[in-house]
Amino acid sequence: EIVLTQSPGTLSLSPGERATLSCRASQSVGNNFLAWYQQKPGQAPRLLFYGSSTRATGIPDRFSGSGSGADFTLTISRLEPEDFAVYYCQQYSHSPRTFGQGTKVEIK
Amino acid sequence: EVQMVESGGGLVQSGESLRLSCAASGFTFSSFSMNWVRQAPGKGLEWVSFINSIGDKIDYADSVKGRFTISRDNGKNSLYLQMNSLRAEDTAVYYCARGSGAGHWLIDYWGQGTLVTVSS
Repeated sequence: EIVLTQSPGTLSLSPGERATLSCRASQSVGNNFLAWYQQKPGQAPRLLFYGSSTRATGIPDRFSGSGSGADFTLTISRLEPEDFAVYYCQQYSHSPRTFGQGTKVEIK
Repeated sequence: EVQMVESGGGLVQSGESLRLSCAASGFTFSSFSMNWVRQAPGKGLEWVSFINSIGDKIDYADSVKGRFTISRDNGKNSLYLQMNSLRAEDTAVYYCARGSGAGHWLIDYWGQGTLVTVSS
């Protein structure tokens, strides 16, 4: 099983600041099949990126995804009020598909 | 608009069974793989099960293997999860989630979820 470790657990930032979220895998993620999801309280997750860096439909370009192998990053260049949420990475190259434990981006 | 609506959740006792349903609309259901993903209260996401578009490839997390059964009815645009021998640790919101293609493992859309509570 591929274990995904996200850091930090919580990121306290102000609107307009840059957010950098990390997702590290216990082994290489094949084909960079790594996705990022955003989840707001009481809502279902929403796909942000797949294939590490391909933006899903409707995702603003202040969001960017990068990385390969076992080391991946989600960056939000300038936080908007609607970006405060929990972010999960997930690998979909090996079964079982696994998620990271999440990073909460909260308002400072 | 892609939409999945889960139903069938509720409160059950440990050891009992429950069947979840997911009604899909807004896309050609028979062309997409489907998943169940759960989230325990206040916790992260856990993938539970996968079924490809025609139902001949199925996969489960070890935590539910032998107790849960995923199935689909393409004629009814519906996905199901039969959950037997339920345990307290199965308590979670269960999401129906669409795969990005016929056999694809990437999840691109999620339903709003249905809460399953297992009392010990």
